[in-house]
Amino acid sequence: SQQGEEDPQALSIQEGENATMNCSYKTSINNLQWYRQNSGRGLVHLILIRSNEREKHSGRLRVTLDTSKKSSSLLITASRAADTASYFCVPRGGNTPLVFGKGTRLSVIA
Amino acid sequence: SAVISQKPSRDICQRGTSLTIQCQVDSQVTMMFWYRQQPGQSLTLIATANQGSEATYESGFVIDKFPISRPNLTFSTLTVSNMSPEDSSIYLCSVESGIAGYFTDTQYFGPGTRLTVL
Repeated sequence: SQQGEEDPQALSIQEGENATMNCSYKTSINNLQWYRQNSGRGLVHLILIRSNEREKHSGRLRVTLDTSKKSSSLLITASRAADTASYFCVPRGGNTPLVFGKGTRLSVIA
Repeated sequence: SAVISQKPSRDICQRGTSLTIQCQVDSQVTMMFWYRQQPGQSLTLIATANQGSEATYESGFVIDKFPISRPNLTFSTLTVSNMSPEDSSIYLCSVESGIAGYFTDTQYFGPGTRLTVL
């Protein structure tokens, strides 16, 4: 199935530090998306990177994609307490709904 | 983008009863989805609901337990029937952007309905 596997499962950092989360997947993709979920509520779409892109930026977010290694990374720079959340990577290859993995639980300590 | 609201935001129900969750979108969308998130777990897709057709259920989910309605392009309901404590979860509605009738890029999510079954 098209499901990403996030690593690490949990990450704890100090406010102001950078947070890096990794994602691996198994199938061919058209794009890969990152979502954030705060406190078990609704998910927020963060960024989408297409298969022909290698890097993309959005504010404090930087996403990389290596289709040869079937991997992606999400970097959050200068983290804030409000970044505390679960982060999910979702590979998208075809005509199917999004399938979510276990995510990375990020804790940013003030 | 799409703005999605869900009702109720939370509920506490007795076992054996049923609860209907409503999902309202501020724009017309073809693809709507219902997910479940059990405590401490990730999201699991329950079904895809397209207007004018029967919902498509994922493995492990059946229509008798989770009947879905999709009367128009902006609204859907999910009913959790004959509830047991194992149904205690957050239920999330999600939509695919636009009415192109095919999977595009981004899915948008409602705030979720937190259900507790006693």
